Formats: sequence, C-alpha cells, structure tokens
Amino acid sequence: SQQGEEDPQALSIQEGENATMNCSYKTSINNLQWYRQNSGRGLVHLILIRSNEREKHSGRLRVTLDTSKKSSSLLITASRAADTASYFCATDAGRAGANNLFFGTGTRLTVIP
Amino acid sequence: GAGVSQSPSNKVTEKGKDVELRCDPISGHTALYWYRQSLGQGLEFLIYFQGNSAPDKSGLPSDRFSAERTGGSVSTLTIQRTQQEDSAVYLCASSPFLESPLHFGNGTRLTVT
Repeated sequence: SQQGEEDPQALSIQEGENATMNCSYKTSINNLQWYRQNSGRGLVHLILIRSNEREKHSGRLRVTLDTSKKSSSLLITASRAADTASYFCATDAGRAGANNLFFGTGTRLTVIP
Repeated sequence: GAGVSQSPSNKVTEKGKDVELRCDPISGHTALYWYRQSLGQGLEFLIYFQGNSAPDKSGLPSDRFSAERTGGSVSTLTIQRTQQEDSAVYLCASSPFLESPLHFGNGTRLTVT
C-alpha cells in the first residue's frame, strides 16, 4: 500500500510553541501534499511540495521533503488554538498521469490556549 | 463561490437497504474522488473519475459499492445491501487538473443500524 503514516498520532502543545509532524511513505512520488481537517468537516489543502523540492514555506507552515528517506515533515510555528485539527499527508503513486492520492492516518494536534 | 457539495449530510439506514450518496463538484473540475473515513481514522481511497470515466476503481471494498459520474459533473456513490461495517463518513473531492490540490466536501455521515 502507498498509504503514508504520520507520526505522532497525537500531539498536544501550548499556544505559541512549535508543532512538528512527520510523514513516511513507501514508493516514489511526484508530489506530497499536506491537508488539515477540523472535526466534522472535509479536508483543506495546506501545501504541496514536488519531488524535486526539499523545502517549502507558506505563512507559519514549513514543509520539508526527503525523497531518499521517503519522509516529510510539517512544522507549524507559533501555534494558535485555532490550529487545533488533524493533519494528513497525501502522496500520489509516482506514475505520470496518475492522480489518485493516498492519505496517511493523520496527526491529531491540540493547541492549548 | 460554491465549493464541493455533498448530500445528504447525514444518512441513517437499516442494514440491507441500498443508499445513494451524491457529490456536486466545483464547476469545471475534471477530476472527482471518493474517500471513506471511519471514526478517528485516515482516508481510504475508493474511486477516482477523470471526466466520466473511472481509471482507478481499485479501492471499492466490494461489489456492493458502485459509482458513476454523468456529464462530467455530478457523481453518485451507491452502496447496495448496506452492512454495519459500511458506517463511516464518505468524502468527495474534486480538482481542476492532474496533480492539483483536492477540494473536499464536508462529507456524508452514513450510519447503518
């Protein structure tokens, strides 16, 4: 299975601290994406990093990708209570024209005010 | 602007009955995806449409599950002879082109009693 695995499964931090979540996957990819899901809602896209990129930033988000280790990390800096959500990584199957995305099991982040 | 719309938002059905779940993607999005999410779990890929055709049906759990898409727009996911293990949130997503981020609906919560 191509499905990714996030680590840790759950993370609880104080507001203002940084949160780091990791994702590992199994096969080659074209790109890796991170999504966020608030309870009872659909997923919202956060950031996409291509296989030839090593790091990408978007606001308080920083994503790294290490294709040799088949892993990625998502860093949220200066966390806020509103960042409380589940975070998922998603990978494609690495084949040209393939567009089905496989999601990991998610990290449940709780930011304590 | 309208996002991905799913209906119904909640569905309770008796074991053995058939159910139809509907997804209205964002206008102009050619790719459409169905995922299933069990309580507190990650997303399980079910099926993906490019236009009206389904290049990848590999995720459908059994022959009780089927999906169609007509006019390159609305899609329906049908579950025949529902079982209790079918209880989950069924999420639909669409994207405008290959390798672009997915836009998710809020899902249909299916409960089979």
